[in-house]
Amino acid sequence: AQSVSQHNHHVILSEAASLELGCNYSYGGTVNLFWYVQYPGQHLQLLLKYFSGDPLVKGIKGFEAEFIKSKFSFNLRKPSVQWSDTAEYFCAVYQAAGNKLTFGGGTRVLVKP
Amino acid sequence: DAGITQSPRHKVTETGTPVTLRCHQTENHRYMYWYRQDPGHGLRLIHYSYGVKDTDKGEVSDGYSVSRSKTEDFLLTLESATSSQTSVYFCAIAPQRELMDEQFFGPGTRLTVL
Repeated sequence: AQSVSQHNHHVILSEAASLELGCNYSYGGTVNLFWYVQYPGQHLQLLLKYFSGDPLVKGIKGFEAEFIKSKFSFNLRKPSVQWSDTAEYFCAVYQAAGNKLTFGGGTRVLVKP
Repeated sequence: DAGITQSPRHKVTETGTPVTLRCHQTENHRYMYWYRQDPGHGLRLIHYSYGVKDTDKGEVSDGYSVSRSKTEDFLLTLESATSSQTSVYFCAIAPQRELMDEQFFGPGTRLTVL
């Protein structure tokens, strides 16, 4: 069965620090990849997605992610975080064969002012 | 924000009682989904619908049933609630294709089963 791993459950950093969140998946076939964010008390929102083409995708609020097929990874990055980036971040992988969307366990990010 | 509402937003109930959660959309999207969110597990799909009266099971469907009699409404029912069903439930919608497309999420329902 496909699995999606987010290695860091909690990340604490200061404003202006760089952020990188790891996401690895187990499926070797065609995938679509997503990062969602959930700000405190709010619903999930899409940060960015990868379907095909340039493996470096840019999303909202200065976030970007790089798809590395050989490593089965889709890591999320932001060069300089703000306090307002405090949230929980979820990686999700869609597997075409089987029509299955699997979410990672999430990473809680706390940005200290 | 996509027009998705969930009701109730919070509910406390007792083991063995039936519970129905409602998801309502104003976007006329074809696909609707119910997820549960639990710490460390991310979101897990319970059931989804690809049209009126057309539904299918997700990975954690045991103990849950759904119905969709109108495009805009997708109901999730716990026939006999158990403590393991204490969770936050999210509804999501998508315009066209199945799970591969971007989904828009509702605000969530926090359910506590005592």
